[in-house]
Amino acid sequence: NAGVTQTPKFRVLKTGQSMTLLCAQDMNHEYMYWYRQDPGMGLRLIHYSVGEGTTAKGEVPDGYNVSRLKKQNFLLGLESAAPSQTSVYFCASSYVGRAQETQYFGPGTRLLVL
Amino acid sequence: GDSVTQMEGPVTLSEEAFLTINCTYTATGYPSLFWYVQYPGEGLQLLLKATKADDKGSNKGFEATYRKETTSFHLEKGSVQVSDSAVYFCAFSQGGSEKLVFGKGMKLTVNP
Repeated sequence: NAGVTQTPKFRVLKTGQSMTLLCAQDMNHEYMYWYRQDPGMGLRLIHYSVGEGTTAKGEVPDGYNVSRLKKQNFLLGLESAAPSQTSVYFCASSYVGRAQETQYFGPGTRLLVL
Repeated sequence: GDSVTQMEGPVTLSEEAFLTINCTYTATGYPSLFWYVQYPGEGLQLLLKATKADDKGSNKGFEATYRKETTSFHLEKGSVQVSDSAVYFCAFSQGGSEKLVFGKGMKLTVNP
């Protein structure tokens, strides 16, 4: 099993450009999450999904959109990138959304917006 | 609001030193508590967890006890190794919620 994979690993964008980050999991997990990690801030939840075809906003959703067309994939889109979106993005998944459930993380995507 | 406060570091220790990373949380009810670790260049992975008061989570020589009376979940290891160099995150999840609330993370460097 590959677990949680993320594409791409690193990307440089110019302000105003758009891109999509792809997350895939092969563990048949229902729940998937997108976080961003900034220095001194820990991880903050951007959006999450409780199942195929559903999405919900997290703590910092502005400037991002998501889609969950297939159970195994969770896409994060930036329609018009801004320097404030320079960050490391992590995808995670869990079998269900119970409080005691472990989340499994991907290796991250480092995004630089110039 | 819900939050996690943990030692931020960075901390540098010598091999075989004792490690304590303090973590306290502010939450209603009875959250589940976690320690995640991020090794250089990798994503986060679960180190240990505890789901009810007085539970002790343990893994790879690390331990943490869920103390509801002090709302704490301090991480300890008796003898650290160079391979323990990483960033450690304390987190909790509320019952009925899908979301993890993370602390800011603490970078640990262990020198030989």
